[in-house]
Amino acid sequence: SQKIEQNSEALNIQEGKTATLTCNYTNYSPAYLQWYRQDPGRGPVFLLLIRENEKEKRKERLKVTFDTTLKQSLFHITASQPADSATYLCAPRANQAGTALIFGKGTTLSVSS
Amino acid sequence: IAGITQAPTSQILAAGRRMTLRCTQDMRHNAMYWYRQDLGLGLRLIHYSNTAGTTGKGEVPDGYSVSRANTDDFPLTLASAVPSQTSVYFCASSEGLTGANVLTFGAGSRLTVL
Repeated sequence: SQKIEQNSEALNIQEGKTATLTCNYTNYSPAYLQWYRQDPGRGPVFLLLIRENEKEKRKERLKVTFDTTLKQSLFHITASQPADSATYLCAPRANQAGTALIFGKGTTLSVSS
Repeated sequence: IAGITQAPTSQILAAGRRMTLRCTQDMRHNAMYWYRQDLGLGLRLIHYSNTAGTTGKGEVPDGYSVSRANTDDFPLTLASAVPSQTSVYFCASSEGLTGANVLTFGAGSRLTVL
């Protein structure tokens, strides 16, 4: 069955450092990989989408990579801030219609000042 | 403000009772979803709908039913609630079901079954 693993449940870093979150998947070949942010008591919010033919995607301080050989995506937040503290979810997704989005369990990032 | 409205925000329910969680979107999205989120288990898909009139089962559909009579509404029904259905339930929508479509989530409904 399809499996998604995010590197650790919790990641603690200091303000100004780069946070790197890992998403590994097995038993399927997604054409897209989506990343979401979830704050306590709220629903997830979409951040970035990367396609299988894109090695890297950037948005402000965020960078996502997608390695289909390693079956892995890395999510980087540069110059991290306490406001970046949240849970980050990855969701690899096939392109075929009729398949719905399955999420990893998430990594909770805490940025201390 | 465009988005998804879920109701109720929170509910305590006796086991064996019937409960319907409501979800309405105003973005004219074709696809809608119900997830439950539990500590340590993450978001798990219960049911989804590709378009009005069609529904599909997700990872954990047992004990739940859905209907999609129109584009905007996607209610989730627990016919006879059990304590293991205590969870936070999120409704979401997207323009379509193909991989490039991103999800917009509601604020969630916290359900406690005693």
